Amino acid sequence: GAVVSQHPSWVICKSGTSVKIECRSLDFQATTMFWYRQFPKQSLMLMATSNEGSKATYEQGVEKDKFLINHASLTLSTLTVTSAHPEDSSFYICSARGHLNYGYTFGSGTRLTVV
Amino acid sequence: QQQVKQSPQSLIVQKGGISIINCAYENTAFDYFPWYQQFPGKGPALLIAIRPDVSEKKEGRFTISFNKSAKQFSLHIMDSQPGDSATYFCAASIGRRGNEKLTFGTGTRLTIIP
Repeated sequence: GAVVSQHPSWVICKSGTSVKIECRSLDFQATTMFWYRQFPKQSLMLMATSNEGSKATYEQGVEKDKFLINHASLTLSTLTVTSAHPEDSSFYICSARGHLNYGYTFGSGTRLTVV
Repeated sequence: QQQVKQSPQSLIVQKGGISIINCAYENTAFDYFPWYQQFPGKGPALLIAIRPDVSEKKEGRFTISFNKSAKQFSLHIMDSQPGDSATYFCAASIGRRGNEKLTFGTGTRLTIIP
């Protein structure tokens, strides 16, 4: 079945630095990527949607200059948290969808801790 | 109109029992209804999904029941096992649109006790 590989699984960074999270679709072409943020004991909150080769569409309230999303190829999307602060600490999850495919495949998530 | 309401918030079921989680939606354009299982520290994993042209779908111990007129769907886990203890999310989307997002329910924390 479809697999999405997300790295790193966890990262600790200092306040003010930037962190990049990668998601790769291993056996299908991900025409659309979704990036989510999840707080403890809560549902997934969609941050942005990106189509290959296009600028990402951000949900209301998500700072596009802080959460940079790149979807340069059909198998790779990245989320960069710029100038991270402790309040950015969270669980970030990507999801990928192929062309004409109803399924959404999720990555394993990245636990970001900003100290 | 984009909401998906999920209940209960938490559920405790004895081993061997039936776990039932319910979801209701408003948007009649939704045509894809998946259920996801999430363990702590992991991403959601697709459990089972249904399209509105059928009223029930079964895969092993997991069954989705779908009521189009009532705009409700539910997950039944038969012979519940301790390994089923996880958080379950229902979701819905307009699946035929390639870049359409999933709308998630609020989640149900399921605990199976011996």
